[in-house]
Amino acid sequence: EPEVTQTPSHQVTQMGQEVILRCVPISNHLYFYWYRQILGQKVEFLVSFYNNEISEKSEIFDDQFSVERPDGSNFTLKIRSTKLEDSAMYFCASSEFRSDTQYFGPGTRLTVL
Amino acid sequence: AQKVTQAQTEISVVEKEDVTLDCVYETRDTTYYLFWYKQPPSGELVFLIRRNSFDEQNEISGRYSWNFQKSTSSFNFTITASQVVDSAVYFCALSEAESGNTPLVFGKGTRLSVIA
Repeated sequence: EPEVTQTPSHQVTQMGQEVILRCVPISNHLYFYWYRQILGQKVEFLVSFYNNEISEKSEIFDDQFSVERPDGSNFTLKIRSTKLEDSAMYFCASSEFRSDTQYFGPGTRLTVL
Repeated sequence: AQKVTQAQTEISVVEKEDVTLDCVYETRDTTYYLFWYKQPPSGELVFLIRRNSFDEQNEISGRYSWNFQKSTSSFNFTITASQVVDSAVYFCALSEAESGNTPLVFGKGTRLSVIA
């Protein structure tokens, strides 16, 4: 069964460093998403991406965040200058159609020291 | 504005008991989608069910059943004869369709502990 994959599973970085989180969505899906979950809290939407551009973003997704689909399979989230409060689990998701079921990857746990 | 409320923060049951997880939502759209996801201790988010706002039929899948009531804006989830493997955090989520918003809005989750 096709699934969303994410790498790395755990990333530790120093405050102020740039990180890139990688995702491979399900191959025939057209809509891609990033969510984050601070430890013990609810899952929050960051950004959605369709047709090589951002379609929606939340207030959390400020100028330090960016997304890219560098090739036909990968979907990346870059955090330019990490802060302590960026420590969270970051989930990638994809769906075949708009408003369709979103399938989530296993997540990347980001720890900012 | 859309909102999902899961009032039960934690529930603990003994194995084989039935348990119902509550979900109440708010939306101004008439077309929307409701979801349940399971987050086991390993951390991934596992899709369980998706319902659209026009389909109020209750659904049963094995030991799982869902009760969707538009009149009370609720989409409750029942696990029958609970098992230890059901221990997880369960999230209810909403996605609006008319307003163009497709992101999922999650509730805060209900942590279910099933004790052997």
